[in-house]
Amino acid sequence: GNSVTQMEGPVTLSEEAFLTINCTYTATGYPSLFWYVQYPGEGLQLLLKATKADDKGSNKGFEATYRKETTSFHLEKGSVQVSDSAVYFCALSRKTGANNLFFGTGTRLTVIP
Amino acid sequence: DAGVTQSPTHLIKTRGQQVTLRCSPISGHKSVSWYQQVLGQGPQFIFQYYEKEERGRGNFPDRFSARQFPNYSSELNVNALLLGDSALYLCASSSTVTSGANVLTFGAGSRLTVL
Repeated sequence: GNSVTQMEGPVTLSEEAFLTINCTYTATGYPSLFWYVQYPGEGLQLLLKATKADDKGSNKGFEATYRKETTSFHLEKGSVQVSDSAVYFCALSRKTGANNLFFGTGTRLTVIP
Repeated sequence: DAGVTQSPTHLIKTRGQQVTLRCSPISGHKSVSWYQQVLGQGPQFIFQYYEKEERGRGNFPDRFSARQFPNYSSELNVNALLLGDSALYLCASSSTVTSGANVLTFGAGSRLTVL
């Protein structure tokens, strides 16, 4: 089946610290991979995506590389800001058939000044 | 352009009642999907509609139903509400149903509380 396992939270970091949120997946075939972010009281926003092995998605200083050999898509940022405080979701979708997303449980990040 | 809009934003129901949630997709998007997000968990796929036809269904009971209208807006109906139906219901739209570059744009959600 298709599933995503995400690093348990919550994660608390000081401003300018390095961030890693781990994500591994199980899927038939080679899915597309996504990171979504949810700010308090809001819906989900696409942060970045990668559609094939070794692709690197990047946006707003965040990066994640599609690793087929380890079935992983870890999210990283070199220097977090208070405004990055949110819940981060790793997700996958199949490349054929319905394009619905399978989400991880989410990781809450709090950045303190 | 307006994003994905959902209504109502909040509502409270009692067990056994029925609820209808509404969603308007981004202009030009023909696909609408519904997700349920229980507190502390990731969203779970409920339905996807494209061009008014159901294209996918998640593992939810028959109490959950949906439809899509000619203007591509959509309604999600839940009958015989249970306490466990309390959740944030998210609507997402996309221009197609094919994956690859697939990007879903989500609305802010409708928060349902069942007492």
